[in-house]
Amino acid sequence: KQEVTQIPAALSVPEGENLVLNCSFTDSAIYNLQWFRQDPGKGLTSLLLIQSSQREQTSGRLNASLDKSSGRSTLYIAASQPGDSATYLCAVGLYSSASKIIFGSGTRLSIRP
Amino acid sequence: GAVVSQHPSRVICKSGTSVKIECRSLDFQATTMFWYRQFPKKSLMLMATSNEGSKATYEQGVEKDKFLINHASLTLSTLTVTSAHPEDSSFYICSASPTGQGYEQYFGPGTRLTVT
Repeated sequence: KQEVTQIPAALSVPEGENLVLNCSFTDSAIYNLQWFRQDPGKGLTSLLLIQSSQREQTSGRLNASLDKSSGRSTLYIAASQPGDSATYLCAVGLYSSASKIIFGSGTRLSIRP
Repeated sequence: GAVVSQHPSRVICKSGTSVKIECRSLDFQATTMFWYRQFPKKSLMLMATSNEGSKATYEQGVEKDKFLINHASLTLSTLTVTSAHPEDSSFYICSASPTGQGYEQYFGPGTRLTVT
């Protein structure tokens, strides 16, 4: 059974710092991996999607990497801003069950001005 | 493109009543839609997979008679919480997978259900 873990559960850093959020998964047979952002009481915003054949994806100040063999992904945020404060969710798409996504527990990020 | 809406965004109902939540794909057809539940400060838990024209597939531990899912068209799936109780209070999020476009999912904005 696929399990997705995110560490740390919460993180607070001063504005301007670069930071890394971690995601690990137990079964490397994934279709893709996606990072989402969720603001309090809101839905999900897709940030980056990495297909299983890819190693990384970049969008602006965000960079996500994927190492399937070790079951790990990282989300790198450069030059953090208070507006980046949110919960970041990692989710893996399963090959074994078309379209099924398993979410991690999330990292609550707070950027201090 | 690829917009998914949910209605209502918030609903408060009394214990024992039923409430229906709609999930619509606005600019694409979706043979498959998904329903998730999120407890406060927790992650999303998949409840069921909704397939157009057939019965939904429920995850282990989810009561199919309590959470009725209907996917009557390629753009609409509904989740009905029957005989709601306070423990059903939660944030419900749906997603839709465009027909014939692989395994991508697009998420709705969520519905906050409060049962009093």
